[in-house]
Amino acid sequence: SQTIHQWPATLVQPVGSPLSLECTVEGTSNPNLYWYRQAAGRGLQLLFYSVGIGQISSEVPQNLSASRPQDRQFILSSKKLLLSDSGFYLCACRLAGRYNEQFFGPGTRLTVL
Amino acid sequence: AQSVTQLDSHVSVSEGTPVLLRCNYSSSYSPSLFWYVQHPNKGLQLLLKYTSAATLVKGINGFEAEFKKSETSFHLTKPSAHMSDAAEYFCVVSVSDMRFGAGTRLTVKP
Repeated sequence: SQTIHQWPATLVQPVGSPLSLECTVEGTSNPNLYWYRQAAGRGLQLLFYSVGIGQISSEVPQNLSASRPQDRQFILSSKKLLLSDSGFYLCACRLAGRYNEQFFGPGTRLTVL
Repeated sequence: AQSVTQLDSHVSVSEGTPVLLRCNYSSSYSPSLFWYVQHPNKGLQLLLKYTSAATLVKGINGFEAEFKKSETSFHLTKPSAHMSDAAEYFCVVSVSDMRFGAGTRLTVKP
């Protein structure tokens, strides 16, 4: 079965600092991968998705970017964090042949001060 | 295009009483429907899913949901709430991609 690892679990960063969140997937190959953000008191917002290595689609224009350097690695980055980037970041993968069902990682709590 | 509306942002029940979390969807095609649960500071866990088979779907932890095409609804129910059910619940509709509802926070009082 598939497992999603997210690192780090929690992060506190000052405004203007860079960001790198990592997501790795085990137990499946060639997955579709997704980055979501949950701001306080809000639902899930899809940020990026990827159907393969080097292929990134952005859903929301902002100061974040994503990269997929390997089949099972998905990275969320920023050059300069804003206060509004605070939130809970979730990585997910789509299971092939499973009616678009997505499997979620444990999340990263980011606080920007 | 598809969309989903969770009719209650917050539901509060007493332990041992029934739970009803309401979800309505809109879709041009036959959708797949899901309910996910999220405990504080945790990822989302799949509770159950509807994929055009039986309209009454049973999930984990005693939850079930009924797909009603005529009402475009997919409400989540449980006969008897437990304290551990307190969490955020998300209804999701999927045709080509997944659309999440805004979530319903379930509180369970002792």
